[in-house]
Amino acid sequence: GQQVMQIPQYQHVQEGEDFTTYCNSSTTLSNIQWYKQRPGGHPVFLIQLVKSGEVKKQKRLTFQFGEAKKNSSLHITATQTTDVGTYFCAGPLTSGTYKYIFGTGTRLKVLA
Amino acid sequence: GAGVSQSPRYKVTKRGQDVALRCDPISGHVSLYWYRQALGQGPEFLTYFNYEAQQDKSGLPNDRFSAERPEGSISTLTIQRTEQRDSAMYRCASSALQLAASSYNEQFFGPGTRLTVL
Repeated sequence: GQQVMQIPQYQHVQEGEDFTTYCNSSTTLSNIQWYKQRPGGHPVFLIQLVKSGEVKKQKRLTFQFGEAKKNSSLHITATQTTDVGTYFCAGPLTSGTYKYIFGTGTRLKVLA
Repeated sequence: GAGVSQSPRYKVTKRGQDVALRCDPISGHVSLYWYRQALGQGPEFLTYFNYEAQQDKSGLPNDRFSAERPEGSISTLTIQRTEQRDSAMYRCASSALQLAASSYNEQFFGPGTRLTVL
């Protein structure tokens, strides 16, 4: 079964509200990636975090990697309808491997 | 090409038939992944190649599934004696050379092949 869990599973927000999805791994990750998948589309890479406690920003998106490198979060400020989609985190559960395990995903709907 | 391409985009087959799914990665990308994605779920790792070498095939569900990448570019995922439970979206992704597991590793996904086994 999945060893990378994300919460919430679904989130509906009004346009302009903030949104956060959390990713939790059962093991320490050497790095964590975030992907966005639009309805009917394929996953698109957003970012990769490597260092413990790392925080990166991309315009309205803020990504954080936990100090223990077992959790991560993605925060979107002032959501827009273009943010609609499913957000996945992914990481190699076993150190030194390239076997990426994807999280369960958070599906975001933005109401105009 | 501009991105990762996969063919066919849709495949309908009868139970017991063999199918071959093709992935054409971004030119020059050394690493190639195969994933399976069920509706509403995240991609599930199947196998991984570096150049032509299959580095990890631990995600292949059983011995009916196999993959190859003989010249380090195009890859084929083959499913023998298909079963209804094999129905899913099969996705391929490629990335540039990785020097270590913590190296930058943006994966570029293809559009996928939707496999339906009747």
